[in-house]
Amino acid sequence: AQSVTQPDIHITVSEGASLELRCNYSYGATPYLFWYVQSPGQGLQLLLKYFSGDTLVQGIKGFEAEFKRSQSSFNLRKPSVHWSDAAEYFCAVGGPAAGNKLTFGGGTRVLVKP
Amino acid sequence: DADVTQTPRNRITKTGKRIMLECSQTKGHDRMYWYRQDPGLGLRLIYYSFDVKDINKGEISDGYSVSRQAQAKFSLSLESAIPNQTALYFCATSDDGPYNEQFFGPGTRLTVL
Repeated sequence: AQSVTQPDIHITVSEGASLELRCNYSYGATPYLFWYVQSPGQGLQLLLKYFSGDTLVQGIKGFEAEFKRSQSSFNLRKPSVHWSDAAEYFCAVGGPAAGNKLTFGGGTRVLVKP
Repeated sequence: DADVTQTPRNRITKTGKRIMLECSQTKGHDRMYWYRQDPGLGLRLIYYSFDVKDINKGEISDGYSVSRQAQAKFSLSLESAIPNQTALYFCATSDDGPYNEQFFGPGTRLTVL
């Protein structure tokens, strides 16, 4: 069965600093990978996704993620964080081998200091 | 208007009560899902439906039931609510392509006293 681990429960970063959120997955075939963001009181919004091809994917709001098959990772990065990036971030894995269902990690809550 | 809507947005109820959470979508998607979110546990799948006649249990279906009234509507029921069902509940939809990109509603915060 597939699984996703987000090792960092909380991260605090200063505004303007870089951000990296870690995601490790377990999946028995080529994974489809997603990052979602949940702002306070909101639903989940898709930031970016990886299905195939270029392993560095660009998303909305200046985020990017890199798929590394050898490390079973799909880390999310942003070069310069804005106060509005304070939110909870979820990594998810899925694909046909998973019956077209997604499995989510536990989430990482990002706090942004002024 | 939002593509995926959930009603109610907030609900407080008592142990033993029957509760229904409703989800509607205007995306024309066949697939719909119900998740619950608990702190530190991420989102866990309760039930999912790939079309009107297809209902499947997820990883945590005990204590829940669903109804797919139409392509656009998918309801989640708690027949006899208990306090550990206090959580944030999300509905999501996706098309029937291979990639399963899911679109989420705003969530329903349910408190069971």
